[in-house]
Amino acid sequence: RKEVEQDPGPFNVPEGATVAFNCTYSNSASQSFFWYRQDCRKEPKLLMSVYSSGNEDGRFTAQLNRASQYISLLIRDSKLSDSATYLCVVPVVLNSGYALNFGKGTSLLVTP
Amino acid sequence: SQTIHQWPATLVQPVGSPLSLECTVEGTSNPNLYWYRQAAGRGLQLLFYSVGIGQISSEVPQNLSASRPQDRQFILSSKKLLLSDSGFYLCAWSIMNTEAFFGQGTRLTVV
Repeated sequence: RKEVEQDPGPFNVPEGATVAFNCTYSNSASQSFFWYRQDCRKEPKLLMSVYSSGNEDGRFTAQLNRASQYISLLIRDSKLSDSATYLCVVPVVLNSGYALNFGKGTSLLVTP
Repeated sequence: SQTIHQWPATLVQPVGSPLSLECTVEGTSNPNLYWYRQAAGRGLQLLFYSVGIGQISSEVPQNLSASRPQDRQFILSSKKLLLSDSGFYLCAWSIMNTEAFFGQGTRLTVV
């Protein structure tokens, strides 16, 4: 099982729609999780952090299911500007440090 | 506030030439520093990470090396570039086990 898996999409949705992405992870010891957003040819930017069962920020809701080892991201009332790639991120403890494991991302295209 | 600077933004280099990419962080002390690479159509791959000056760990064997000569400076190098080194190189920092923040990236094309 890959460490962080995401459905690559693309997800094509009309403006105003609700869309949800899932992400599964293999490291059951992970305590915190992140969703990043990456626009085309740009660096990833932090969208949300998830430290407990979930987090909500405006139209965005992240939920964590530790038993099933998956994280979801729900976007309500989609805007054209939400079009981007959404990266699921799971921290991993390394031999002498800590780093973030990124999924390959889920591509979202919101259309008029 | 913390900021991260990475340069250059784009780079075209011939095969066999050397490489040096620099990243600096401002507004924080003793950050964890990272170099990631994103190849076309692929996810982010961790190349190197550093928890302190002179401490470099490599995640994948490759044609690249990294150095951290100062607390907030991270350098990615190669003596001889390969075509397969082309990609989007991203420097990032974090404090302890928290989210990471990325520089604007360097798009490297080896020709």
